[in-house]
Amino acid sequence: QQQVKQSPQSLIVQKGGISIINCAYENTAFDYFPWYQQFPGKGPALLIAIRPDVSEKKEGRFTISFNKSAKQFSLHIMDSQPGDSATYFCGYQTGANNLFFGTGTRLTVIP
Amino acid sequence: ETGVTQSPTHLIKTRGQQVTLRCSSQSGHNTVSWYQQALGQGPQFIFQYYREEENGRGNFPPRFSGLQFPNYSSELNVNALELDDSALYLCASSLTSGGRTDTQYFGPGTRLTVL
Repeated sequence: QQQVKQSPQSLIVQKGGISIINCAYENTAFDYFPWYQQFPGKGPALLIAIRPDVSEKKEGRFTISFNKSAKQFSLHIMDSQPGDSATYFCGYQTGANNLFFGTGTRLTVIP
Repeated sequence: ETGVTQSPTHLIKTRGQQVTLRCSSQSGHNTVSWYQQALGQGPQFIFQYYREEENGRGNFPPRFSGLQFPNYSSELNVNALELDDSALYLCASSLTSGGRTDTQYFGPGTRLTVL
């Protein structure tokens, strides 16, 4: 069920740099787009989420940009830190329906 | 840390056996969803329970079954285990209200190994 394409598969960023992860979806019925962060051996943790009625949402160093016409959304991590090294999943959901995930991006932030 | 707990943390079974995994939802939540995450992959939706009934199911065979209890905790049962069932099993709790399920919060998972 590849309804969302996530890229890149892996990403290496210098400390202090900007990390950008992209997702493209097909189903316009999706109305909730969360990003989850997962460390090895742990469950995914909600990072930030957006609904399609806004084009951008910022929480601290994390920003979601949403382009409804292009059916794309992205996660930007500003001032990336080694502690941000983890796997990031975009998610998509419609109303009472269930949450589906992208394929994941493994981020490595090097000091 | 979310208030979602799962037990056991790790489990080793042999092919053909049956397993039960448990999840306690976060306080105030009434919905539990289960996911299977194979190594290096994203979580795959198994099913969701709301008001003690299955409320949606992913592409998993009937040997994957579940229960939700009046206190909203939940069990995932897998019969006739296969080698490919080896994975991290994640439980997520959320609040469903007005026909809409809100943000899902995940537990730490149960690592199942099938030999």
